[in-house]
Amino acid sequence: DGGITQSPKYLFRKEGQNVTLSCEQNLNHDAMYWYRQDPGQGLRLIYYSQIVNDFQKGDIAEGYSVSREKKESFPLTVTSAQKNPTAFYLCASSIGGTVSNEQFFGPGTRLTVL
Amino acid sequence: AQSVTQLDSQVPVFEEAPVELRCNYSSSVSVYLFWYVQYPNQGLQLLLKYLSGSTLVKGINGFEAEFNKSQTSFHLRKPSVHISDTAEYFCAVSGRDNDMRFGAGTRLTVKP
Repeated sequence: DGGITQSPKYLFRKEGQNVTLSCEQNLNHDAMYWYRQDPGQGLRLIYYSQIVNDFQKGDIAEGYSVSREKKESFPLTVTSAQKNPTAFYLCASSIGGTVSNEQFFGPGTRLTVL
Repeated sequence: AQSVTQLDSQVPVFEEAPVELRCNYSSSVSVYLFWYVQYPNQGLQLLLKYLSGSTLVKGINGFEAEFNKSQTSFHLRKPSVHISDTAEYFCAVSGRDNDMRFGAGTRLTVKP
């Protein structure tokens, strides 16, 4: 079955540590996205990538980094510079850069900083 | 850039009653509009989308939405809800900037 996988489902991190969230898709989509979800705030865009080896900052990129070395993979690193990293993180993909294309979402990773 | 406002953060309704979840958007260019549903601790699933053509859009699970350009609205409706419709619903808009903007979400709770 085609889809998007995110791992792990739950992640705990000590303050001051970097952590990497995995996102893999087998939909052959060109574009991939990372969102952060906090209660009552909807989804906010962290980073997005329209093509391999290229990515752009979203609205809240500070304290995060990404890479896009392969079409199917778009890992997100939450660095120690992110002041309030506890949140639900969602990865998404779409066919291409056309704005009319819907995004398909993974099941999410819940990150808790202890 | 475009933006989305979902007018109700929570909507409680009894089973088999009709429901409307309201969404308004702002944009200076043509837009594409989407409704997504999210069940607890899961990702988002597309309910329906408006790209062009007929302003009444039908989606999955019996939901429909109407695009109203003059009122810049895209309200979601269902004539008779079920307990299983309890979830969070997100309205989203995409436009020239090639990114998608989401509303804050509406929590629909269907009571027996």
